[in-house]
Amino acid sequence: GQQVMQIPQYQHVQEGEDFTTYCNSSTTLSNIQWYKQRPGGHPVFLIQLVKSGEVKKQKRLTFQFGEAKKNSSLHITATQTTDVGTYFCAGDQAGTALIFGKGTTLSVSS
Amino acid sequence: ETGVTQTPRHLVMGMTNKKSLKCEQHLGHNAMYWYKQSAKKPLELMFVYSLEERVENNSVPSRFSPECPNSSHLFLHLHTLQPEDSALYLCASSQTLPVRGPQPQHFGDGTRLSIL
Repeated sequence: GQQVMQIPQYQHVQEGEDFTTYCNSSTTLSNIQWYKQRPGGHPVFLIQLVKSGEVKKQKRLTFQFGEAKKNSSLHITATQTTDVGTYFCAGDQAGTALIFGKGTTLSVSS
Repeated sequence: ETGVTQTPRHLVMGMTNKKSLKCEQHLGHNAMYWYKQSAKKPLELMFVYSLEERVENNSVPSRFSPECPNSSHLFLHLHTLQPEDSALYLCASSQTLPVRGPQPQHFGDGTRLSIL
């Protein structure tokens, strides 16, 4: 079946360093979504990308959707302690449900 | 406040008990979902409902029984669970199913379930 792979599984950075998580799908996606889950919390929708090659920014966060619509990345510039959490990508084949990656857990030390 | 409310927040039960998890969404959405989140397999989709009709059952054991009486409420009935069923159970909703276009999902806070 369709899979969405996400790497790395864990990432630790010093505050101020950059961070990137990558998402790859075995099949072409109609769109991709990103969620953040804080420790002890629930996933919260961040953004969705629909167009091939699309790039969107939210303050220090930059989201990209690949040209082939099979991969995506989330890049955080100058991480802060408030960025701590698990970041999930979720692929959508325009079916009945999203396919979530296993997430990348980010820890930040000050 | 996410617009999706789950109760209870925590539940401890024995393997022979019967309990129910409740989810209520106040967003006017037509699609609702149950997910299981554990350390080993984050965010496993369990069930999908659209307009109170089940559209997906992701190979979930029969000891989990969903119920969707209307588009605002979703239940997960539990009976004779196993220790490996201990996990965070998350409910989510979206305006419609993804087949009708990109749909962000709104999650509740979840029910932390522990099976003794």
